[in-house]
Amino acid sequence: SQQGEEDPQALSIQEGENATMNCSYKTSINNLQWYRQNSGRGLVHLILIRSNEREKHSGRLRVTLDTSKKSSSLLITASRAADTASYFCATASYFQGAQKLVFGQGTRLTINP
Amino acid sequence: NAGVTQTPKFRVLKTGQSMTLLCAQDMNHEYMYWYRQDPGMGLRLIHYSVGEGTTAKGEVPDGYNVSRLKKQNFLLGLESAAPSQTSVYFCASRWTGSYEQYFGPGTRLTVT
Repeated sequence: SQQGEEDPQALSIQEGENATMNCSYKTSINNLQWYRQNSGRGLVHLILIRSNEREKHSGRLRVTLDTSKKSSSLLITASRAADTASYFCATASYFQGAQKLVFGQGTRLTINP
Repeated sequence: NAGVTQTPKFRVLKTGQSMTLLCAQDMNHEYMYWYRQDPGMGLRLIHYSVGEGTTAKGEVPDGYNVSRLKKQNFLLGLESAAPSQTSVYFCASRWTGSYEQYFGPGTRLTVT
């Protein structure tokens, strides 16, 4: 079963605006990761936030994590056309000694020039 | 470094046929994973391996088998393909000391 639920499913904004995507999950996690997928390509890791962290930054990316609400958000500031892609959150937990990632359904982001 | 590569990129099978998807990584990663991606479903874990010679079931293992005879290769087999296995298959790997997974470009499989 899918643990991560992402909101919105699709987002279309103008270049230069900020884009915010949300992810909710159901069980305890070790960390939460965000990945980007360009059309027809594999996923690329963007950023990881551990369960004991509340906020993390990487370039134009800002991720927050609220473990009490079991939710995370990804903010992309000053969006560019190249940011057009699908974005997935993935929650990491351990099962029988191995880390497993459970992916959300993704948010399709379109940046209009 | 080539990273994670997958062979083939595209394949069309008839129901009941068999095939093997190959994943190779040149990063000396211990962990390797096979996922499938279906529209509106995100990625689901099929099988994974924590090291050479080991395999384990993921979320949706039925109808698939895997082998990890060499550390750099992870094979996914379909013994008798079914239309429900039409999907895009992704392989991923990671280093023991990191949580980040590196993904291959995917294999688009259609079963008619």
